[in-house]
Amino acid sequence: QLQLQESGPGLVKPSETLSLTCTVSGGSISSGSYYWGWIRQPPGKGLEWIGNIYYNENTYYNPSLKSRVTISGDTSKNQFSLRLSSVTAADTAVYFCASKFAGSGRFDPWGQGTLVTVSS
Amino acid sequence: QSALTQPASVLGSPGQSITISCTGTSSDVGGYNYVSWYQQHPGKAPKVMIYDVTNRPSGVSNRFSGSKSGNTASLTISGLQADDEADYYCSSYTSSTTWVFGGGTKLIVL
Repeated sequence: QLQLQESGPGLVKPSETLSLTCTVSGGSISSGSYYWGWIRQPPGKGLEWIGNIYYNENTYYNPSLKSRVTISGDTSKNQFSLRLSSVTAADTAVYFCASKFAGSGRFDPWGQGTLVTVSS
Repeated sequence: QSALTQPASVLGSPGQSITISCTGTSSDVGGYNYVSWYQQHPGKAPKVMIYDVTNRPSGVSNRFSGSKSGNTASLTISGLQADDEADYYCSSYTSSTTWVFGGGTKLIVL
């Protein structure tokens, strides 16, 4: 059974880079059966798709974040990561990692989410 | 890309049926059968209830169903229960090879 868990700093200073890691268990990020994605949710607001990575390292990003986002994978650790540069208070959110079935629109399962606050 | 349009809130009584709409464009909802619906209780991660317009994952109650007509997708919940009270989000694939979510709908069970 696939399980995902986010980890990383809960506090990031403005203008710095947010870095989060998602550890996958019960499946391999090298599998072509899934895409691996990041979604965020500012406090009290809706969900925003950040981007996906596929096993062949192809990446897909939200156009509104593309200039600041990098998603990468580490097959040796079965992890994938998010880097978001030049953060501001508007990037304060709960960040979720999720798997997405290839050939489907199904994001499932999701990690529990981790709150990242941008503040000096 | 613009968020898909959902009503801010929907009200229903136990036992009733409700429908939540999700309106996009021909470049997302109308163009692909990759619309999903997610249920989110406070403080929890979203859970997929419907995927690819009409499909229900194993373990999800058959009280949940999905459909699509043109650029609008819909989630219907029948036999409303207290535990159905949650936020619901739709999502869709887009012609830009990206994904977009709706703004979310708060379902209130009276």
